[in-house]
Amino acid sequence: AQRVTQPEKLLSVFKGAPVELKCNYSYSGSPELFWYVQYSRQRLQLLLRHISRESIKGFTADLNKGETSFHLKKPFAQEEDSAMYYCALLTGNQFYFGTGTSLTVIP
Amino acid sequence: NAGVTQTPKFQVLKTGQSMTLQCAQDMNHEYMSWYRQDPGMGLRLIHYSVGAGITDQGEVPNGYNVSRSTTEDFPLRLLSAAPSQTSVYFCASSYRLRETQYFGPGTRLLVL
Repeated sequence: AQRVTQPEKLLSVFKGAPVELKCNYSYSGSPELFWYVQYSRQRLQLLLRHISRESIKGFTADLNKGETSFHLKKPFAQEEDSAMYYCALLTGNQFYFGTGTSLTVIP
Repeated sequence: NAGVTQTPKFQVLKTGQSMTLQCAQDMNHEYMSWYRQDPGMGLRLIHYSVGAGITDQGEVPNGYNVSRSTTEDFPLRLLSAAPSQTSVYFCASSYRLRETQYFGPGTRLLVL
């Protein structure tokens, strides 16, 4: 069963435009959610997690339990945001990753 | 501090061969895990370990074995390689389960 869904494989936005990467999850318990990012020729790295309620590189993500969503948002996209983004769910001791969204920011 | 290292970077196997993918970390992390990444599938957890001597199965464990005899090392063994195991394999570690996971550079495996 797919526990994490990222409906967009590819997303393109213009520089300075708002960006939203969607993530929906399926889990009956209290979810712990994360966003990971992989920039070109770099390793996969943590961007942010919902329990920290932090903003990293201008990105934020709010957990919406009613809609079972954890969308990643940034008000003004930058070219350096172009990367592959993965949403991940932690249940018990196991992580479940979505299939990823490739974001391209057009200059 | 080398972080998470993986060897080899690339490997070609014939069906039925066995091999071990190496993963090591020098950060004294308790939690280590192995993922495979296939096109359109994202990362899927194969096995994980919450500490030395403790391992457990993830989402796709069949055809793979792991052991955790030391805190630093977490090798992944393919017992009898199959073409379906062609993939990119990532090792990751974190100090605790809910802390930041640090990923290795990946091992690209081709099974013919």
